Amino acid sequence: GAVVSQHPSRVICKSGTSVKIECRSLDFQATTMFWYRQFPKQSLMLMATSNEGSKATYEQGVEKDKFLINHASLTLSTLTVTSAHPEDSSFYICSARTNSGVPEAFFGQGTRLTVV
Amino acid sequence: AQSVTQLDSQVPVFEEAPVELRCNYSSSVSVYLFWYVQYPNQGLQLLLKYLSGSTLVESINGFEAEFNKSQTSFHLRKPSVHISDTAEYFCAVSDHPGNTPLVFGKGTRLSVIA
Repeated sequence: GAVVSQHPSRVICKSGTSVKIECRSLDFQATTMFWYRQFPKQSLMLMATSNEGSKATYEQGVEKDKFLINHASLTLSTLTVTSAHPEDSSFYICSARTNSGVPEAFFGQGTRLTVV
Repeated sequence: AQSVTQLDSQVPVFEEAPVELRCNYSSSVSVYLFWYVQYPNQGLQLLLKYLSGSTLVESINGFEAEFNKSQTSFHLRKPSVHISDTAEYFCAVSDHPGNTPLVFGKGTRLSVIA
């Protein structure tokens, strides 16, 4: 199956700093990527949808100025958590789908962000 | 609008016993259905999917799920579980093959007891 690579897998940062998470589709073109946040023992919460070359669409309640999403190419999307605070600590997961007729979504390995 | 209901948040089961994880969905159109598995601190891995055709779909590690249109269900089953099956299982639905997000259930934590 298709592979989505997400880095870093873990990151610890100081409060007030920014953190960038990368999501790459390794063997297919990801026309659409999704970013999720997952709290402990809970389901995935969709944060935003990004299409290559256009602005991301954020879900209600997600601060677009805090969670910057860039989808500059068909194989790379980035999520930048700006001015991180301890409440931003969470597990972030990216996902990709294609328009090639393969309906399932492919997921990255996730990033455990800890803000201290 | 689509939705997915996973009725059980936690399912404990003894090793080598059978298990069924329940999933019901609502959608006004034809759907694609998926089961994903998540191990601790990892992303989601596709376990199996229903797109069309045979209503019984199987995975390579012994899981199977049956699409039941009349009951709008897609329950996941395994006749004999292993310790290594301990994980979080998510049911998901989509009505479009391309660029919309999957709709997930809240997940079921399967704990296999030795």
